[in-house]
Amino acid sequence: EAGVAQSPRYKIIEKRQSVAFWCNPISGHATLYWYQQILGQGPKLLIQFQNNGVVDDSQLPKDRFSAERLKGVDSTLKIQPAKLEDSAVYLCASSLSGSITGELFFGEGSRLTVL
Amino acid sequence: AQSVSQHNHHVILSEAASLELGCNYSYGGTVNLFWYVQYPGQHLQLLLKYFSGDPLVKGIKGFEAEFIKSKFSFNLRKPSVQWSDTAEYFCAVNAASSASKIIFGSGTRLSIRP
Repeated sequence: EAGVAQSPRYKIIEKRQSVAFWCNPISGHATLYWYQQILGQGPKLLIQFQNNGVVDDSQLPKDRFSAERLKGVDSTLKIQPAKLEDSAVYLCASSLSGSITGELFFGEGSRLTVL
Repeated sequence: AQSVSQHNHHVILSEAASLELGCNYSYGGTVNLFWYVQYPGQHLQLLLKYFSGDPLVKGIKGFEAEFIKSKFSFNLRKPSVQWSDTAEYFCAVNAASSASKIIFGSGTRLSIRP
């Protein structure tokens, strides 16, 4: 079974530039999550989708971050303009359903460095 | 809002030593609890989870965790660690009232001396 795919694995940009990350969840998984993991900290939930609808985006900095999952499958997370403090690993995860009994499956992550 | 505390940032043990990693959460209602592990160069993966029933849960690779409701704790244990257990360990909590939102602790880095 293919896992959660993310790209790019690494990205270096200058502050005020924009960047986009892509995630393809495990086939059939209805729920998709984007987490931000800053060095030395645990993953912080940015946004959660159930199919193509947003369940929770309370911690997404909406002035600069946006995410979409238009067809209920793959998803894109965008940052525009980037700040130095956005340097982090952006993790995508998926689960079979919205039920918490479902295990979260994580991708390898996209490491962003903002200079 | 729920939160998770992992007070041990870095633990160093020798092989065959016993392990206990602390995890405390703050939430007064019903919770679901998890431990995730991230081995060097790999993605996060589920180690074990507690939803209900027996408060002592067993996971993969000989790990277990005990849910103590009165202490708001869910400590991870292993009687005898191996070098291959070197990894970062994250405790996570879901408040049963908040759909499937999972909050992670800051993690504990475990280093095993061969």
